[in-house]
Parts: sequence; C-alpha cells; structure tokens
Amino acid sequence: DTEVTQTPKHLVMGMTNKKSLKCEQHMGHRAMYWYKQKAKKPPELMFVYSYEKLSINESVPSRFSPECPNSSLLNLHLHALQPEDSALYLCASSQDGGYGYTFGSGTRLTVV
Amino acid sequence: ILNVEQSPQSLHVQEGDSTNFTCSFPSSNFYALHWYRWETAKSPEALFVMTLNGDEKKKGRISATLNTKEGYSYLYIKGSQPEDSATYLCAARIGSARQLTFGSGTQLTVLP
Repeated sequence: DTEVTQTPKHLVMGMTNKKSLKCEQHMGHRAMYWYKQKAKKPPELMFVYSYEKLSINESVPSRFSPECPNSSLLNLHLHALQPEDSALYLCASSQDGGYGYTFGSGTRLTVV
Repeated sequence: ILNVEQSPQSLHVQEGDSTNFTCSFPSSNFYALHWYRWETAKSPEALFVMTLNGDEKKKGRISATLNTKEGYSYLYIKGSQPEDSATYLCAARIGSARQLTFGSGTQLTVLP
C-alpha cells in the first residue's frame, strides 16, 4: 500500500459544529503532516508528528486539535471554526522528515 | 520566514510546445528541492528530489535543473501534451528542518 488516504473528501460544517478529518497510511512512515491550502496560495504547514509525538505546531489556533492515535493514523479535530478556515486540508507522510512526502488527496472544508 | 517563490503563477501553451517554469528558494543552508505534479482532485505526485548544485533529473519529457548557489530550479516540459495539464509545485527543505516549505505552484494548461 503506497497511498495516503484522507476522509472525508468534502466537508461542510457550521461554526458551532465539531468534526474530524482523518488521514491514514500503511507505508511505515514515521512522520506525518497537516497542511492547509487556500486558493492560489502555497500549502501552509500546520502540524508535524514524528514517531507519534507532536514535534511542530505552527502557532495554529486551538480550534484545530491534532491527534496521532498510532503510527498509521492522524486526525485533525475541528471545533468552532470560522468561515476563513475554509480551505483544502492536505495530509502527508514521509519516512523520517528528510525525504519527500506522500500526499493524500485532501479534504475540501467549507465553514458556513 | 522562509519564502519559496514560483513563476509564472499560470501558463497556457499549445500542444507540442515546450515550456519551462521557475522555483526560487533561499540558497543558505539549502538541503533539498522537491518538485510535485498535482492534478485537480488528486494527490500531489512526486516528480524529482534534487540536492546537489548542478543536478539535472529527467523523467520522460519532463526534466529539472538545480542551482543551489543562486537559489533556483527550472522545470522543463518538452513537447507538452494535454495530459501534462496540472499544477507543478516546488518545495524546499532548508537546514535541519524536517518539513518542506512550498511555493504556490505554476498552473499549466496545455491546449489541444
């Protein structure tokens, strides 16, 4: 299995909702990443997990809460989001940070 | 703040034309430069990883060069085909950072 699977592909949520994004890989990669991308902008790093521990949090607001329950799974819990949080959320994994990434196809999030 | 810049932002070419675009990155503490090809609704796909000044990589009709001293990389596509239509992302790894910093991409459209 050489894929990163992200679910759901699309999500519409209200500002009072709680939802979660899921990312899964079975390549034995020990680093996993969340990026946020808005139209015409570069993907922006949000979080990095290395060996299931949070190693980088790029000053992301607390309404985004990452979780890495095991080495194959990465979640992003969402609560009380704002419309400006609408974006494509990309998950990626790599062998140990120093290598290229394998990406998921992203979750298109719309906050209404 | 680490800036990775790509130009042009978008490009339309006729089928059969050759084309190229640019990625610029900070040259100090450079570690690696990655190119990805990203089709709509799919995952970004790794094209090349380059680390050495003067590196040149080739994959079919697509090639890339790297100049680490001046901080730029070129991606070339020879004899563009409609299936080459995609966004081409570059990303740099600088110093000891585990994560990649992305440019905003060049969106290529090849017209039949």
